[in-house]
Amino acid sequence: AIQLTQSPSSLSASVGDRVTITCRASQGISSALAWYQQKPGKAPKLLIYDASSLESGVPSRFSGSGSGTDFTLTISSLQPEDFATYYCQQFNNYPPTFGQGTKVEIK
Amino acid sequence: QVQLVQSGAEVKKPGSSVKVSCKASGGTFSSYAISWVRQAPGQGLEWMGRIIPILGIANYAQKFQGRVTITADKSTSTAYMELSSLRSEDTAVYYCARAEYYYGSGSMDAFDIWGQGTMVTVSS
Repeated sequence: AIQLTQSPSSLSASVGDRVTITCRASQGISSALAWYQQKPGKAPKLLIYDASSLESGVPSRFSGSGSGTDFTLTISSLQPEDFATYYCQQFNNYPPTFGQGTKVEIK
Repeated sequence: QVQLVQSGAEVKKPGSSVKVSCKASGGTFSSYAISWVRQAPGQGLEWMGRIIPILGIANYAQKFQGRVTITADKSTSTAYMELSSLRSEDTAVYYCARAEYYYGSGSMDAFDIWGQGTMVTVSS
């Protein structure tokens, strides 16, 4: 199975900061990568699919980029509601796999 | 807009089985695959398996082969996940999630709709 490694595992940031999270795949997955946001006690929410496509209703401060093995999720200006854990997931190869998560905390 | 509504929390004894349901409210399963993903306390997301309801075909992650059974009732747009031989390590929140399924390639898209989650506690 394809392994996804996210970095960092956690970060502290302030409101208004630009935040970047990286996801590296153990082999090429084209652009078949998604990003999810999860808040405590809630189900994950799809933010980005196909590496860079913004899911309907998701604020434009979220963006994704990359292809092959290296991907990034960027939050251009962190808002209070963005403090959460973020996961990447690949759907190019079976079985689908997730990264270990990146927790974004308030500085 | 389709919602996935899951059954309520369960407390089970080690060695027993649990069956969790996931009903599509406001729509049907149509051409989608329904997957089950679990999350142990404080841990990440783990894919367990999926079913393509319109085909009645289920696939399972190797880790759960022989212990998990995923079924679907098209008439009620409800999917089920049954996990047997429960142990304490199976204590987790279990989510169902929908993804577009492509019959030609057998591939799936990202999970665009998730159920609210069902807490399963395994304790003696």
